Amino acid sequence: AQSVTQLGSHVSVSEGALVLLRCNYSSSVPPYLFWYVQYPNQGLQLLLKYTSAATLVKGINGFEAEFKKSETSFHLTKPSAHMSDAAEYFCAVIQGGSEKLVFGKGTKLTVNP
Amino acid sequence: GAVVSQHPSWVICKSGTSVKIECRSLDFQATTMFWYRQFPKQSLMLMATSNEGSKATYEQGVEKDKFLINHASLTLSTLTVTSAHPEDSSFYICSANGLFRDSPLHFGNGTRLTVT
Repeated sequence: AQSVTQLGSHVSVSEGALVLLRCNYSSSVPPYLFWYVQYPNQGLQLLLKYTSAATLVKGINGFEAEFKKSETSFHLTKPSAHMSDAAEYFCAVIQGGSEKLVFGKGTKLTVNP
Repeated sequence: GAVVSQHPSWVICKSGTSVKIECRSLDFQATTMFWYRQFPKQSLMLMATSNEGSKATYEQGVEKDKFLINHASLTLSTLTVTSAHPEDSSFYICSANGLFRDSPLHFGNGTRLTVT
């Protein structure tokens, strides 16, 4: 079964610093990969998705992610963190043959002033 | 863009009572909706897949008699937590898919259930 692993349950950066949230996938076929953001007591908002069209995917709020097949990775980055980026981030993959999203355990991003 | 509306956003109920949560797709038809449960500081766990006009498909370990799902129309799915217990307290989130498999799932804002 396809799965994703997020390395680091907590990441703390200073405002203006680079944000790097790690996600590795496990899949025998090209997967569909997603990054979502969740603010407290809210649902999930799609940041970006990879569907094999381009390896570098640009999303909302200045985030982007690069699909690297050789490393089975789909890390999320943002050049300069804002205070408003503080939230929980989830990497997810669609299971083959279904429409079910399988989520990683999430990474809580803290942005320090 | 597509919007999924979930209601109520929070509910407090007593043990033994039942609670119904609604999930509506506002501007698109959703033949499939998904129900997730999220424990504090944890990820989302898929509970069941709700299919319009047919029985829901439950994930392993989810009690179908306790978490009743009804998908009576292309825009509405409901989750009823029956005979609620304090351990059912959680954050429940629904989602609905777009037209294609690679379409992003659109999520409701979740329902915070507290059983006292």
